[in-house]
Amino acid sequence: DSGVTQTPKHLITATGQRVTLRCSPRSGDLSVYWYQQSLDQGLQFLIQYYNGEERAKGNILERFSAQQFPDLHSELNLSSLELGDSALYFCASSGTVSSYNSPLHFGNGTRLTVT
Amino acid sequence: GENVEQHPSTLSVQEGDSAVIKCTYSDSASNYFPWYKQELGKRPQLIIDIRSNVGEKKDQRIAVTLNKTAKHFSLHITETQPEDSAVYFCAASIIPQGAQKLVFGQGTRLTINP
Repeated sequence: DSGVTQTPKHLITATGQRVTLRCSPRSGDLSVYWYQQSLDQGLQFLIQYYNGEERAKGNILERFSAQQFPDLHSELNLSSLELGDSALYFCASSGTVSSYNSPLHFGNGTRLTVT
Repeated sequence: GENVEQHPSTLSVQEGDSAVIKCTYSDSASNYFPWYKQELGKRPQLIIDIRSNVGEKKDQRIAVTLNKTAKHFSLHITETQPEDSAVYFCAASIIPQGAQKLVFGQGTRLTINP
């Protein structure tokens, strides 16, 4: 168990809808990262938060947004969903802003299916 | 931006043989290079990492080498076992403005044949 908790495990919704994915980092970790993994694809970096502030951004669509709350949990909001948004969404956490001394630990992911 | 290329995309070896997976990165400022193992339907798990101030690191049957000049790093698995079958991802970390951005390679599906 990595200590990173993601909910829900599975999510099935229709095109055009909006969903929220939730992540609780490991105890003591200040950084939260979101990654998207499509079927048989690599891990695409979406966004990183550190202690409530956005610190790095990847190829995150404008329809997607995220935030990190004072208790350090994070939410990824996906709106106007399209079939192509179906993927496994991973949250990861680390202790510091830089991973140089603090590897990322991944949660078990949320599998999103858009029908 | 940073780009990480990983080869091969699939690799099949006989049990007991060695497996080597190679990655190249584009940003010379990258200074942290982890490797993750992902079993089917599970989360990626860190198996080994190397920082730019060392050239090689070993952990039992797993080793990673780094060539900063060539911007190339490799994962070596010796005496492979069936439980080594998984998808392996390399990654490189850049630190823009004090933040962190870990960019992953496309993955290598390793199959160990008994």
